Amino acid sequence: GDSVTQMEGPVTLSEEAFLTINCTYTATGYPSLFWYVQYPGEGLQLLLKATKADDKGSNKGFEATYRKETTSFHLEKGSVQVSDSAVYFCALRNYGGSQGNLIFGKGTKLSVKP
Amino acid sequence: DAGVIQSPRHEVTEMGQEVTLRCKPISGHDYLFWYRQTMMRGLELLIYFNNNVPIDDSGMPEDRFSAKMPNASFSTLKIQPSEPRDSAVYFCASSLAGDHRDTQYFGPGTRLTVL
Repeated sequence: GDSVTQMEGPVTLSEEAFLTINCTYTATGYPSLFWYVQYPGEGLQLLLKATKADDKGSNKGFEATYRKETTSFHLEKGSVQVSDSAVYFCALRNYGGSQGNLIFGKGTKLSVKP
Repeated sequence: DAGVIQSPRHEVTEMGQEVTLRCKPISGHDYLFWYRQTMMRGLELLIYFNNNVPIDDSGMPEDRFSAKMPNASFSTLKIQPSEPRDSAVYFCASSLAGDHRDTQYFGPGTRLTVL
């Protein structure tokens, strides 16, 4: 079945450091890919998405590129801030499978120190 | 907009007791989802509804769990009897239909502790 694998956390960075959180997926067909973010004490919210190969999703300085050849959707940010501390979830939606529901990875916790 | 509303935010109960979690989705949304989040298993989809009708409950762990959506603005997730392994954060989320299902709006969650 469809699945998402993301790097184990926690990830601890200093402010202004470069961030990469790796995400790979397994799915039949052509899924859409997403990053959701969960700030402390809150529910998840959509951060960015990409719906086809080579698309780049971006929001709030975060970017991720849909790489079909490597089945990856790594999240990057050039300069993290303390306010970026959160748990980040990679997800996919396969319109032909899983009843079209979102399939989430286990999440990667990011802590940014001042 | 008020967003998805869940109550209670925290629930502490003893093993064997009945627990009822409540959710009010965003007005006008067609889909409602219940998730469970634990450290070990991550985020699991328990059940989802479309226009108040349960579509897939295959994620419900066992018969002790049940969910209802009596109208478009209210849903409950009930655990009876509760067990310590049910301790988790339970999220409700809602979305519009079609491509808009990409964007699910999550409530703040209910942190359940079963002693």
